[in-house]
Amino acid sequence: GAVVSQHPSWVICKSGTSVKIECRSLDFQATTMFWYRQFPKQSLMLMATSNEGSKATYEQGVEKDKFLINHASLTLSTLTVTSAHPEDSSFYICSASGFSVEQFFGPGTRLTVL
Amino acid sequence: GENVEQHPSTLSVQEGDSAVIKCTYSDSASNYFPWYKQELGKRPQLIIDIRSNVGEKKDQRIAVTLNKTAKHFSLHITETQPEDSAVYFCAASIKKGNQFYFGTGTSLTVIP
Repeated sequence: GAVVSQHPSWVICKSGTSVKIECRSLDFQATTMFWYRQFPKQSLMLMATSNEGSKATYEQGVEKDKFLINHASLTLSTLTVTSAHPEDSSFYICSASGFSVEQFFGPGTRLTVL
Repeated sequence: GENVEQHPSTLSVQEGDSAVIKCTYSDSASNYFPWYKQELGKRPQLIIDIRSNVGEKKDQRIAVTLNKTAKHFSLHITETQPEDSAVYFCAASIKKGNQFYFGTGTSLTVIP
């Protein structure tokens, strides 16, 4: 089946620093990748949708200058949380979609901002 | 945009009983409805999905039904086991490459 990896699986950083999270589709070409944020005991909240080679589409209320998304190839998308603050602490999950409607999820990245 | 509602938010059943989780959606153009199981701190795992041209789909102890007219779909788990305990999310999608709209989740506990 389709495999999506995410790196790192967890990260702890100081307030004000930037953190980059990578999402890779290992065995298929992901024409579209999605980034979600999930707070404890809540649903997945879509942050942005990215298509390879084009700018990401951000959901309402998500600051595009704070959450930088790059989808440079059909197998890699990155999310950079710039100037992270404690309120950005969350579980970030990516998913990838290829030639079907299904989305395949990465294992998630636990971000803790001190 | 699409709005997906999910009920109940929590559900406890005795081992061996059935569990039913229901979702409604608002956009009649939605045509793909996956169900995900998520264990604590892990990725959502697709357990079953249904497309709008089908009314019911079954995979062993898991089944999904879809009522397009009423715009609702349900997950049915029979003969529940403790390892079925997790959070379950429904979702609706309109077309390939489009985003999923997730329900709010149901925390299922199967009591041994």
